[in-house]
Amino acid sequence: EAEVAQSPRYKITEKSQAVAFWCDPISGHATLYWYRQILGQGPELLVQFQDESVVDDSQLPKDRFSAERLKGVDSTLKIQPAELGDSAMYLCASSLVHVGTGEETQYFGPGTRLLVL
Amino acid sequence: GNSVTQMEGPVTLSEEAFLTINCTYTATGYPSLFWYVQYPGEGLQLLLKATKADDKGSNKGFEATYRKETTSFHLEKGSVQVSDSAVYFCALDYGGATNKLIFGTGTLLAVQP
Repeated sequence: EAEVAQSPRYKITEKSQAVAFWCDPISGHATLYWYRQILGQGPELLVQFQDESVVDDSQLPKDRFSAERLKGVDSTLKIQPAELGDSAMYLCASSLVHVGTGEETQYFGPGTRLLVL
Repeated sequence: GNSVTQMEGPVTLSEEAFLTINCTYTATGYPSLFWYVQYPGEGLQLLLKATKADDKGSNKGFEATYRKETTSFHLEKGSVQVSDSAVYFCALDYGGATNKLIFGTGTLLAVQP
């Protein structure tokens, strides 16, 4: 069964350093999401792509976070500079809208756990 | 605004006990409703979903019914196993242009042998 791939699985960095996370969605899925999950909470959307275009980045802290999906397939999320409060799990999800029903289901990758020291 | 409220955990049960995790939502329109499960150290896996009122989603012995009149989507299982120990998230997708998922805070389930 196809899966969303993410790397690295774990990342430890010092504050003020730059970090980057990579996501490869399920083949054919046009929509890609990045979520941040703080320990003990539910995921919160950071950015949504439709193909290579950003659909929603209203919750993305744009002073330090950036995301791209240049060819409309895989995606990179970057933080520069990292802060202590960025420690969290970063989840990528992809989805496909069912042509007949219009239903959409998001499938999540295993996540990248970031620890900022 | 749109939101999801879940019962607080942890929920601790003995094996073969009956499980209920409450979930209520606030939304404009008619969202789709989901339950996701997260095992330790892993990402979220879709457990079940329902897209309209009175629909029942089911998977792996878990069930949830979309109740519009009570704005609820409670998760149930008749007989839990140790392997069901995980965090369970209720979520809604209110559609529109962005199809964003809004999650509850999660409920930790611990099943003891």
